[in-house]
Amino acid sequence: NAGVTQTPKFRILKIGQSMTLQCTQDMNHNYMYWYRQDPGMGLKLIYYSVGAGITDKGEVPNGYNVSRSTTEDFPLRLELAAPSQTSVYFCASIRHPGTEAFFGQGTRLTVV
Amino acid sequence: QQQVKQSPQSLIVQKGGISIINCAYENTAFDYFPWYQQFPGKGPALLIAIRPDVSEKKEGRFTISFNKSAKQFSLHIMDSQPGDSATYFCAASMVLKAAGNKLTFGGGTRVLVKP
Repeated sequence: NAGVTQTPKFRILKIGQSMTLQCTQDMNHNYMYWYRQDPGMGLKLIYYSVGAGITDKGEVPNGYNVSRSTTEDFPLRLELAAPSQTSVYFCASIRHPGTEAFFGQGTRLTVV
Repeated sequence: QQQVKQSPQSLIVQKGGISIINCAYENTAFDYFPWYQQFPGKGPALLIAIRPDVSEKKEGRFTISFNKSAKQFSLHIMDSQPGDSATYFCAASMVLKAAGNKLTFGGGTRVLVKP
């Protein structure tokens, strides 16, 4: 049972480059989320989705885009990477409101 | 305001001692309050959660105390063990499909249990 899988685990980007962080879950969860975690800080919500075809902005969406074409996948796109996007990114999924959120292992991104 | 404030930022406790972490929230519409545990290099994992209709919930050595009128909740780790050394996050959300069940996290508390 894989749960929530994120790829890649680590990435170094140059300023202005673009990349897609992949997230897939095999639990048939409708709710999926992208968070970023800066050093010594809590998690901040970037984007979320309540089902295939439905996405919405979180607290810190600027510089990011998402899509949700299937229940399983929720990729996060960074356009024109900036040093401020250096962070650890976590994808999470939930089956029903008020139940456990399952997190991936994270992607550590450095923009230089 | 969706903020959740967590204290302290770090905590050192002797093996066998009690670790206490506190959180305060502002949005009275929050109705689900989980605690997550995170080890270095790993994603957060659910430790214990509470709904506002109860004032206390205990699971093994971990207890959540909830004070709805004060808009505060806390995590107590009894008989702390070195394996409990981790970062702990409180969180809150509205259990509404329309609200997206978005978790708002506190800033985290790094707990170190000394043997």
